[in-house]
Amino acid sequence: AQSVTQLDSHVSVSEGTPVLLRCNYSSSYSPSLFWYVQHPNKGLQLLLKYTSAATLVKGINGFEAEFKKSETSFHLTKPSAHMSDAAEYFCVVTRLSLLGAQKLVFGQGTRLTINP
Amino acid sequence: NAGVTQTPKFRVLKTGQSMTLLCAQDMNHEYMYWYRQDPGMGLRLIHYSVGEGTTAKGEVPDGYNVSRLKKQNFLLGLESAAPSQTSVYFCASTRTSQETQYFGPGTRLLVL
Repeated sequence: AQSVTQLDSHVSVSEGTPVLLRCNYSSSYSPSLFWYVQHPNKGLQLLLKYTSAATLVKGINGFEAEFKKSETSFHLTKPSAHMSDAAEYFCVVTRLSLLGAQKLVFGQGTRLTINP
Repeated sequence: NAGVTQTPKFRVLKTGQSMTLLCAQDMNHEYMYWYRQDPGMGLRLIHYSVGEGTTAKGEVPDGYNVSRLKKQNFLLGLESAAPSQTSVYFCASTRTSQETQYFGPGTRLLVL
């Protein structure tokens, strides 16, 4: 069954330093993987998605993620953190249902704190 | 084009009361989903729909019912609310099964 594990529940970095949010996945077939961001008391916004094209995926706001099949990882990075990046981040893998719908399986989330 | 909207934004219920959450989308999307979000658990799929009149159970369907009588609306019902259903509920929709899901702003539900 498809699943994701976010390895850190909380990450704290200083403004201007690199960000690394770690995600490992489990899938019995070639997965689609996503990163979503949720700012406080807001809905979810898609940061980026991997769908078996290029293994390095660029997203919005300077974020990118690299799909590594050998390590079953899909870590999210950003070279330089900004205060506005403070939010909850979710790694997501897809699972196909019997009816053909694409079901999203969410990780537990990583809360990113940016220190001034 | 409003995207995905959810009604109400916030609601307080007493144990045993019933209510219906409404999700509406104006993008002519075929697929619609209901999720709940609880602290430390990410989002979990409650029910989903692959088209008008067709619904199916997700990971955590117990205590909820859904209906998709019109393509643009997906209703989530709680027949007899329980404190364990205190959560934030998100609706999502997508045109095809392969496309990215668009999420609504959420409904915060508190069951006392």
